[in-house]
Amino acid sequence: KAGVTQTPRYLIKTRGQQVTLSCSPISGHRSVSWYQQTPGQGLQFLFEYFSETQRNKGNFPGRFSGRQFSNSRSEMNVSTLELGDSALYLCASSRGTLEGEQYFGPGTRLTVT
Amino acid sequence: GENVEQHPSTLSVQEGDSAVIKCTYSDSASNYFPWYKQELGKGPQLIIDIRSNVGEKKDQRIAVTLNKTAKHFSLHITETQPEDSAVYFCAASKSGGSNYKLTFGKGTLLTVNP
Repeated sequence: KAGVTQTPRYLIKTRGQQVTLSCSPISGHRSVSWYQQTPGQGLQFLFEYFSETQRNKGNFPGRFSGRQFSNSRSEMNVSTLELGDSALYLCASSRGTLEGEQYFGPGTRLTVT
Repeated sequence: GENVEQHPSTLSVQEGDSAVIKCTYSDSASNYFPWYKQELGKGPQLIIDIRSNVGEKKDQRIAVTLNKTAKHFSLHITETQPEDSAVYFCAASKSGGSNYKLTFGKGTLLTVNP
């Protein structure tokens, strides 16, 4: 069974630009969660989507947004990039049910210059 | 909201020794506690988890214990091997319903010296 895939793996953007990251969950999983990982703040929850609906949201500004498609693939978008947005962005896939463990992809390393 | 504290931040052991990482959580409603291992350049890998209706769970050399009263849980690795070297994260969440947010500890860098 294929794991969680994320594209692209590496990205370099300039301050003020926007970026879109993609995540394909494990087949049969309907929930996708996004996390930001930085050395200073660790792993922080961004948002979670289930059946194309955002169910949970973390404490990030509105510049961070996401969506989920009918095939459960998800994208997250960051607009007006800031230097502090440089991070590893991880997505996690889950069945989305009571016993749904979360499985992480390899992440997208975003560098903002 | 939930807060998870993890100790120690770094741990160095000799091959064959045991390693113990401890976490405490603040929200008594949390009922799901996974542990992840993250190697350099990779995403976190789920290695073991425990739910609040269980006090201990083992999987070969790895075990996790949970004390709901004290709100703490621990990861135990026995007979450590160099390939166990990685960053380990504990997490907590309220599973079920619409709660799928994991709150993570800051991580423990485990180094197993040959």
